Amino acid sequence: SQQGEEDPQALSIQEGENATMNCSYKTSINNLQWYRQNSGRGLVHLILIRSNEREKHSGRLRVTLDTSKKSSSLLITASRAADTASYFCATERQGGSEKLVFGKGTKLTVNP
Amino acid sequence: DAGVIQSPRHEVTEMGQEVTLRCKPISGHNSLFWYRQTMMRGLELLIYFNNNVPIDDSGMPEDRFSAKMPNASFSTLKIQPSEPRDSAVYFCASSLDIPGQGLEQYFGPGTRLTVT
Repeated sequence: SQQGEEDPQALSIQEGENATMNCSYKTSINNLQWYRQNSGRGLVHLILIRSNEREKHSGRLRVTLDTSKKSSSLLITASRAADTASYFCATERQGGSEKLVFGKGTKLTVNP
Repeated sequence: DAGVIQSPRHEVTEMGQEVTLRCKPISGHNSLFWYRQTMMRGLELLIYFNNNVPIDDSGMPEDRFSAKMPNASFSTLKIQPSEPRDSAVYFCASSLDIPGQGLEQYFGPGTRLTVT
């Protein structure tokens, strides 16, 4: 079964607005990662947050993690048309193998 | 660094034919992953290797699928015989597994497979 489930499935905003995507998961984790996929391309790693961290920033990206609720959010501030892509969360299970389990993604469209 | 290299980028074949997908991981990485992506099922892990040894192949759909990693710089995913339901984009990813640090995976561009 899917470990990570992103919400919403699709999001359409105007350039300059902020975009927030959420991810929920089911089991205890070592870390949670966010990836971006442009149409027709492979996934690109954006940011990793460990289970003992609550918030992390990278440029215009802000990720939060709430292990008590088993949820994470990805915030993209001041969005640009180039941010149009699908965004996936992936979890590395605690005590498990090194493999990641991906959600089905949020498709973000940023309109110019 | 050329990144993860996959070939071919596109493959169209007829049902029943053998298909071989190839992957060259990033030099120095010790873990390699094969994924399949479809609209219906999303991104599924098929198999992964660590130090060239298969660790988890529980995602391989059936015996028609096989994967090998003869050395640290090359892996293949073979489907024999292929079926229309195997049509998907197949991704290879690699990572440097450092215990306790979490792993960031680097994806190749994918192979789009169409089985008619």
